[in-house]
Amino acid sequence: SYELTQPPSVSVSPGQTATITCSGDKLGSKYACWFQQKPGQSPVLVMFQDNKRPSGIPERFSGSNSGSTATLTISGTQAMDEADYYCQAWHSDNVVFGGGTKLTVL
Amino acid sequence: QVQLQESGPGLLKPSETLSLTCTVSGGFTSNHYLNWIRQSPGKGLEWIGYIYYSGRTNYNPSLQSRVTISVDRSKGQVSLKVTSVTSADTAVYYCAREFEDNNTYLYGLDVWGRGTTVTVSS
Repeated sequence: SYELTQPPSVSVSPGQTATITCSGDKLGSKYACWFQQKPGQSPVLVMFQDNKRPSGIPERFSGSNSGSTATLTISGTQAMDEADYYCQAWHSDNVVFGGGTKLTVL
Repeated sequence: QVQLQESGPGLLKPSETLSLTCTVSGGFTSNHYLNWIRQSPGKGLEWIGYIYYSGRTNYNPSLQSRVTISVDRSKGQVSLKVTSVTSADTAVYYCAREFEDNNTYLYGLDVWGRGTTVTVSS
């Protein structure tokens, strides 16, 4: 089965740039999405088709995808960005999620 | 704005069948997938399966033998059934929508329900 691998945790200081990676076999040949989930809330789509932001998502969120790694970058990270982040892709007509990354802003 | 709302029993006993409904305000319209996703306590997201507006379905291979997703268009509802539940099926269950354009480009799971908690316990 297809797997997407994320680091369990990433820490960043306020105002700095946070980078969250997602690795999978030939992931660059697929489209990657990213979701933000805060405690007790439903996931929110923050990136689709690798680098497109849905309406309402701040410009400080950006994405890329090449080779075997998709990356979510948060520039000028704010305290409100502290959350779990999940990558997701389609593989063989199945939706696959990464294991999630806890972003801590400290 | 489309809204999704999950509903169903919150407590089941082992071996029972889990039955949940996702009500789609505005109806289940063309070019959309309706997915079921769950999240066990303290864990990540797990895809269960989808139904496309045409009625085509596909399921997570790890759950395929126990899962059925169906649609009642007259009610704007998508149903999930999981048979022979165990404690491992204890989770928050979400429905989420994804749009596919005519060129088969997908636009992400952009609308999620608030989720419904299902606990399996004897």
